[in-house]
Amino acid sequence: QQQVKQSPQSLIVQKGGISIINCAYENTAFDYFPWYQQFPGKGPALLIAIRPDVSEKKEGRFTISFNKSAKQFSLHIMDSQPGDSATYFCAARHSGGGADGLTFGKGTHLIIQP
Amino acid sequence: ETGVTQTPRHLVMGMTNKKSLKCEQHLGHNAMYWYKQSAKKPLELMFVYNFKEQTENNSVPSRFSPECPNSSHLFLHLHTLQPEDSALYLCASSQNRGNQPQHFGDGTRLSIL
Repeated sequence: QQQVKQSPQSLIVQKGGISIINCAYENTAFDYFPWYQQFPGKGPALLIAIRPDVSEKKEGRFTISFNKSAKQFSLHIMDSQPGDSATYFCAARHSGGGADGLTFGKGTHLIIQP
Repeated sequence: ETGVTQTPRHLVMGMTNKKSLKCEQHLGHNAMYWYKQSAKKPLELMFVYNFKEQTENNSVPSRFSPECPNSSHLFLHLHTLQPEDSALYLCASSQNRGNQPQHFGDGTRLSIL
């Protein structure tokens, strides 16, 4: 059973456009939702994260929108650049107060065309 | 040296071999994790260590044996692996309180012949 569903699997966006990646979760106990960016040959790097008590978080060109009632959240990349070409993973975690593993989506391979 | 360092970066082994993967973090964290990344599958959590104590084993086969001698080092001992175990093995670390971010190493690419 996949607890975090991510779409699309791949995405091509023109330079300067908006890239949008969507995720949906099932476990209502999740209370922390990070997005990771991964380049070939590298490990995932934290991009931005949100908690369910806010509906939106923005850091530079990256914005997370969160819809708690729909159990959905999305990543928006504004003014997309070729350097943003990477694989993006959404994730979720139920924080029991200590160390808790992340549940990941399958990833989105993003290509920004010059 | 900073961050999370994994060695070796690449490993090729036969099904009957025994090898170990090493992870070291220089971030002062007290929780460490092993994840498996296979093609077209989500990253899968394998093990969680909190202050050197294993707190989660995500139904991982016994041919994978983790070891955490201290909060800075994590090992994954491998023996009699199967071809389907070929994957990228990622180590991560974090503080063990609240919603603290996990920092990942660059992984070990494992190929089973």
